[in-house]
Amino acid sequence: GNSVTQMEGPVTLSEEAFLTINCTYTATGYPSLFWYVQYPGEGLQLLLKATKADDKGSNKGFEATYRKETTSFHLEKGSVQVSDSAVYFCALVFTSNTGKLIFGQGTTLQVKP
Amino acid sequence: GAGVSQTPSNKVTEKGKYVELRCDPISGHTALYWYRQSLGQGPEFLIYFQGTGAADDSGLPNDRFFAVRPEGSVSTLKIQRTERGDSAVYLCASSFEGGSTGELFFGEGSRLTVL
Repeated sequence: GNSVTQMEGPVTLSEEAFLTINCTYTATGYPSLFWYVQYPGEGLQLLLKATKADDKGSNKGFEATYRKETTSFHLEKGSVQVSDSAVYFCALVFTSNTGKLIFGQGTTLQVKP
Repeated sequence: GAGVSQTPSNKVTEKGKYVELRCDPISGHTALYWYRQSLGQGPEFLIYFQGTGAADDSGLPNDRFFAVRPEGSVSTLKIQRTERGDSAVYLCASSFEGGSTGELFFGEGSRLTVL
């Protein structure tokens, strides 16, 4: 079946460190891929997305590239800030299953000053 | 507010009781979704409404779970004969269209604890 797997957390980094959160997927077809973020006390919100192979999504200094050959969508940021501390979820959706997102288990990021 | 609103934010109930969780979507959003998030897991799809009708209820775990959206705006998730395994955070989300772009707007969730 279709699924998303993320690296285990928590991830603890110092401010200005480089961030990578790994995400791989299994899918029968060609989904769109997303990263959602949940800041403390807030609802999930879309961080970035990519709809086809080799697309790069970017927002707020975060980037992720849709790699069909490795079925991956790793999240990266060159220099994290304390305010990036949150839970990050990788997800996929097929356009035929409108809005039926399949999420990974989430990765907690803690950035220390 | 302008976001998705869910009530109650916390609900503690006893096994076997009936529970209702309410979702008020963003004004003008025709699509509404319910997800369930267990501790340490990502959200899992329950049901999707387009307008007043349930377009996809394939994620509802069993017939104790039911959801309505009678006027195409507010939705209520209803759980009968609650079990301890129903304890989770229930998330509501809305989107302007069918959500095929994947951009859903989530509420903060209703945390349900079944004792």
